[in-house]
Amino acid sequence: GAGVSQSPRYKVAKRGQDVALRCDPISGHVSLFWYQQALGQGPEFLTYFQNEAQLDKSGLPSDRFFAERPEGSVSTLKIQRTQQEDSAVYLCASSLWANRGFGYGYTFGSGTRLTVV
Amino acid sequence: AQKVTQAQTEISVVEKEDVTLDCVYETRDTTYYLFWYKQPPSGELVFLIRRNSFDEQNEISGRYSWNFQKSTSSFNFTITASQVVDSAVYFCANTGNQFYFGTGTSLTVIP
Repeated sequence: GAGVSQSPRYKVAKRGQDVALRCDPISGHVSLFWYQQALGQGPEFLTYFQNEAQLDKSGLPSDRFFAERPEGSVSTLKIQRTQQEDSAVYLCASSLWANRGFGYGYTFGSGTRLTVV
Repeated sequence: AQKVTQAQTEISVVEKEDVTLDCVYETRDTTYYLFWYKQPPSGELVFLIRRNSFDEQNEISGRYSWNFQKSTSSFNFTITASQVVDSAVYFCANTGNQFYFGTGTSLTVIP
């Protein structure tokens, strides 16, 4: 597609429920990031993929968070046993470039707003 | 450590006024990149500008202009003749191995 697509757009989960958030990057894009944006805050880094390899997962807040990109295209962020503090917008971004330090050419999706009740 | 500070949480201006959004960054890298993104209510982050640390030349693009000063670690963004469509949250960011975003400035342009 023309842009980065994220689904679902909104997700309400009961505390303790598992959720899966999907990101469809732009076709052919090598780099893929996940960010977490709490209400009133800037996005914060969660994890980075270069093709199918997860090169950096230092931002994942706990072992309840898991991300994968098995074929180097679509990525899924899974949160197990959701807690209220997980409520946030989860943004995905992709880029054609492998050098993530450039920060160049990243396209962000519209995000998935997760509300844990 | 990388850090970006946007001290202005919310700004309101009347349409056609000029407005400047402040950004101060911290980095230990000698080569780095600075960005401004716009986040409208729809939620996506829209790229506005990218500057590298070696290029302090200020830039003007239509109603937008940017003032990069390494001496004060600032990368300020000015909108001239603001319009209602400029209402959004604006984020300043720099890069190391990832984007480091500020907390954003919410701009409201009142008609």
